[in-house]
Amino acid sequence: AQKVTQAQTEISVVEKEDVTLDCVYETRDTTYYLFWYKQPPSGELVFLIRRNSFDEQNEISGRYSWNFQKSTSSFNFTITASQVVDSAVYFCALSPPTGTASKLTFGTGTRLQVTL
Amino acid sequence: ETGVTQSPTHLIKTRGQQVTLRCSSQSGHNTVSWYQQALGQGPQFIFQYYREEENGRGNFPPRFSGLQFPNYSSELNVNALELDDSALYLCASSWTGGNTEAFFGQGTRLTVV
Repeated sequence: AQKVTQAQTEISVVEKEDVTLDCVYETRDTTYYLFWYKQPPSGELVFLIRRNSFDEQNEISGRYSWNFQKSTSSFNFTITASQVVDSAVYFCALSPPTGTASKLTFGTGTRLQVTL
Repeated sequence: ETGVTQSPTHLIKTRGQQVTLRCSSQSGHNTVSWYQQALGQGPQFIFQYYREEENGRGNFPPRFSGLQFPNYSSELNVNALELDDSALYLCASSWTGGNTEAFFGQGTRLTVV
């Protein structure tokens, strides 16, 4: 069975602070995909990143960066210089191998509140 | 905007009734998945449709059923509604056969009273 744990229920930061959202996963698959989605108050899940289990390189996209460590089954997400528009619920998710990328197992989410 | 559209956006039903939710997948996508998101929780996988057949199901009872049409759009049907069925229902479309992510619609918020 697959499982995703996001231990941080809610995080509050002041604008321009850096913040890291933690994600720990469990799976018996040797190949899998990891994802991060953002859910603003409107409800739609916005795709942020997909990472193949064979690719452990860290990735940076603007103010966003992701740290994938297979040895600790973690896929953490860092927002640098946070902004009020970053306020949302963030979900980490796990999927089986290629072809079933939409059978996602989600964590319970971390609500990020960025204030001025 | 993802190109995945769901209707209706909000719905109120009475316990015991039946409901049909609709999803139009993104152009070029052949797979539709449905998720239930209870308040304060992460989305839970209900089932997936590929080539008009159910292709995997989560831990949901048979009163949750679906259809996929030749144009890849999909319906989610829920019979004998219960109060606990109140949730945001999300549809996601993707391409099976390639390494693509799933794109989500804005969801249908169902309230059962």
